[in-house]
Order: sequence, then C-alpha cells, then structure tokens
Amino acid sequence: SAVISQKPSRDICQRGTSLTIQCQVDSQVTMMFWYRQQPGQSLTLIATANQGSEATYESGFVIDKFPISRPNLTFSTLTVSNMSPEDSSIYLCSARTGVDTEAFFGQGTRLTVV
Amino acid sequence: GQNIDQPTEMTATEGAIVQINCTYQTSGFNGLFWYQQHAGEAPTFLSYNVLDGLEEKGRFSSFLSRSKGYSYLLLKELQMKDSASYLCAVRGRSRANQAGTALIFGKGTTLSVSS
Repeated sequence: SAVISQKPSRDICQRGTSLTIQCQVDSQVTMMFWYRQQPGQSLTLIATANQGSEATYESGFVIDKFPISRPNLTFSTLTVSNMSPEDSSIYLCSARTGVDTEAFFGQGTRLTVV
Repeated sequence: GQNIDQPTEMTATEGAIVQINCTYQTSGFNGLFWYQQHAGEAPTFLSYNVLDGLEEKGRFSSFLSRSKGYSYLLLKELQMKDSASYLCAVRGRSRANQAGTALIFGKGTTLSVSS
C-alpha cells in the first residue's frame, strides 16, 4: 500500500496567480497521476507524472497551464498557472505501486479562485 | 477512447441489497476497479476485477464480463454509512497514456441509504 500526503489541503487564490500542489508518497511507487474533480463530478485524469521526463497530458490539459514535476519516485508537484474561477476544483494526486494494483489517492487540494 | 457509463443516482433502504451497474468501452482493457467516495474525502479502493467472474469481499462483491464490457458492484446488508458515491474505473489506454497505467473513471453513482 501507499500513503499519500498532499498539500495544501485547501487554498483560496486570486485570479491570475499560480498555485503549486505537492504530493509525497511514503513508499517508492512506479506510477503517479494527477486528477481533477469538479464540484459534484467524478475524477478526470489530467496527466501522468513521469519520473525524469515530461508529464503526458490528457486531452484538454496542457503543460503551460498545468506544469508537473516528478524529480524522484516518491514526489510530484502540480502547478495550476494563471488561475481563473473555472479552475476552482479539487485536485488529487494518485499513485500505483504495480500494474495489477489499485490506485491510492491523496486527500486532495480544494482550490477556490476568486 | 474511453466511455464508461453508470447510473447517476440510486436509493435503497437499510438492510437491502443494491446492484450498481457499469458498462464500458475502452481500448486495451486491463482491469476494472470500484471505488467508494464519501463527500469531501478521497476515493477508497473497494474491488478489482481483471478476469471474468465474481470477486467477493465481505458485504461487497464485484462482477466482470469482458465480452460484454459490463461490471456490477453488489452491496449487501446496506448500512447508512454506505451512502456515498461509487466510482467505476477502468485501466486502459488513453490518449496520453498508451501504456494504460492510469485509471479512467466513470461519472460515479450516488447511493443514498435511508432507514
């Protein structure tokens, strides 16, 4: 299993600013991902965070808006850049330890952009 | 691409049995997961099916038919604490993840259990 610590847990930000969310896993994992969950909705995959190389983004998400780093096996960051109220959402970090294992989730970062 | 369908809402009473269905279309299917999510909390893992058939875990069971692109989650002896969203997720190839390592989620089913 894996325990994921994510911070901040919540933040209120001014439009036009950027916020970096940190995700720390307590064990070495092979796969890390970032999801967005808009109010009352399910989880949408933003990108796969690749260790030592650029993240790969799903349709509708771009690196300039959501730059992601993953400098080692246990840590990743997601930045939400040049924020607008439409970015208000919960952002969740996820990790998997193997191909046939479940995904674990951090507690999420609740972002409000005003 | 991926397409995952599940009912939006369901209601049931304490002690009853409820079945939440999930149909999917995906490329490179490599397993189906069910998660439970209470309001304001992270999703928690319930079950995983990669082969056809039924997996049982206490009050929860999950079934998979790969040929039909169909799964269900069965909850028995319902309790009030089972009121939550239930998310069906498949592991398959996506536009950006051709290795199919990420889970793609359906829209979720909100289950309300009443006394």
